[in-house]
Amino acid sequence: GNSVTQMEGPVTLSEEAFLTINCTYTATGYPSLFWYVQYPGEGLQLLLKATKADDKGSNKGFEATYRKETTSFHLEKGSVQVSDSAVYFCAQTDSSASKIIFGSGTRLSIRP
Amino acid sequence: DTAVSQTPKYLVTQMGNDKSIKCEQNLGHDTMYWYKQDSKKFLKIMFSYNNKELIINETVPNRFSPKSPDKAHLNLHINSLELGDSAVYFCASSQESGTFNEQFFGPGTRLTVL
Repeated sequence: GNSVTQMEGPVTLSEEAFLTINCTYTATGYPSLFWYVQYPGEGLQLLLKATKADDKGSNKGFEATYRKETTSFHLEKGSVQVSDSAVYFCAQTDSSASKIIFGSGTRLSIRP
Repeated sequence: DTAVSQTPKYLVTQMGNDKSIKCEQNLGHDTMYWYKQDSKKFLKIMFSYNNKELIINETVPNRFSPKSPDKAHLNLHINSLELGDSAVYFCASSQESGTFNEQFFGPGTRLTVL
């Protein structure tokens, strides 16, 4: 079945550092891919998404490109801020596109 | 205005008790979901309702029973609570079923079973 693997955290960076959180997926067919973010004490929010190969999702300075050849959807940001501290979830649609399958989450902490 | 709200925010109870968690969305969405997030932050779908009709029912013990009195509400009732039920439960909604539609999550209910 479809699954999502993302890098284990926690990831700790200094403010203004470059961020990469790796995500790879296994799937039959062509899933849609997502990044969700969970700020402390809150529910998940959609950060960005891509629905087909080579699409780039972007939002709030974050980007991720749907790479079919490497089955990856890595999250990047050029200069992180303290307010980016959160848990980030990579996700994909399942093979029937009826539900979303989430990765295990990566906790990101940004030091001032 | 809160888009997806859940009550209570925290729930502490003894093993064997029966408890309910309520969820309401004011977004006019047709589809609602319940997710369970364990202590390692792993998030897994439990149920999905579309216009009060059950469309996803993952392998969840039948002690868990969702109830949707109308399309704006999806409550979760849990019978005979067990230690392993301790988790954060999230309600979510989307405009329609089908995963191309963004899901909006509630703030979560932290359930602790003693």
